[in-house]
Amino acid sequence: EIVLTQSPGTLSLSPGERATLSCRASQSVSSSYLAWYQQKPGQAPRLLIYDASSRATGIPDRFSGSGSGTDFTLTISRLEPEDFAVYYCQQYGNSPFYTFGQGTKLEIK
Amino acid sequence: EVQLVESGGGLVQPGGSLRLSCAASGFTFSSYWMHWVRQAPGKGLVWVSRIKSDGSSTTYADSVKGRFTISRDNAKNTLYLQMNSLRAEDTAVYYCARRGGIDGYNPFDYWGQGTLVTVSS
Repeated sequence: EIVLTQSPGTLSLSPGERATLSCRASQSVSSSYLAWYQQKPGQAPRLLIYDASSRATGIPDRFSGSGSGTDFTLTISRLEPEDFAVYYCQQYGNSPFYTFGQGTKLEIK
Repeated sequence: EVQLVESGGGLVQPGGSLRLSCAASGFTFSSYWMHWVRQAPGKGLVWVSRIKSDGSSTTYADSVKGRFTISRDNAKNTLYLQMNSLRAEDTAVYYCARRGGIDGYNPFDYWGQGTLVTVSS
């Protein structure tokens, strides 16, 4: 089973700044089948990025994903107030287990 | 509009049982794999189980294997999770989620709002 490790655990930034979140896999993720989700308090997760770098429907272009193999990155180019949330990566290529990372909390500095 | 609405959560004693439901609408339910994901209070997301579009194949996380059963009724557009022999560590918000795309490898593109299960005496 693939283990996903996200870093940092908490990221403190100000609106307008650039955020870089990391997700490292314990073994290569098949065909870059890696997704990123955003979760706000009391809400369900929302799909942001799939296949490592493709934006989901309706996701602003300030969100971008990159990476392959074992190292993946979610970048938010200019933080908006509504972007402060918890972000999770997930691999879905090594089914049947759809493992998630432990999350990165993006908080306002 | 795609909607997933969970129900059936609540307080149950250790060793007890509970059945969760997820009512789907706005899409052809019988064409999609469906999943359950849970989140313990203040913790991260954990995948629990999945079921093929026609119900012919199911898979479980090791932590729930032998205790939980996923099923679906495509005529009623409803997904279920039967949870038996519940433990304190099963306490979580349970989400149903749709795997995007009819075929191939896809992430979860729609999620329900979740239902809280609390296992406590």
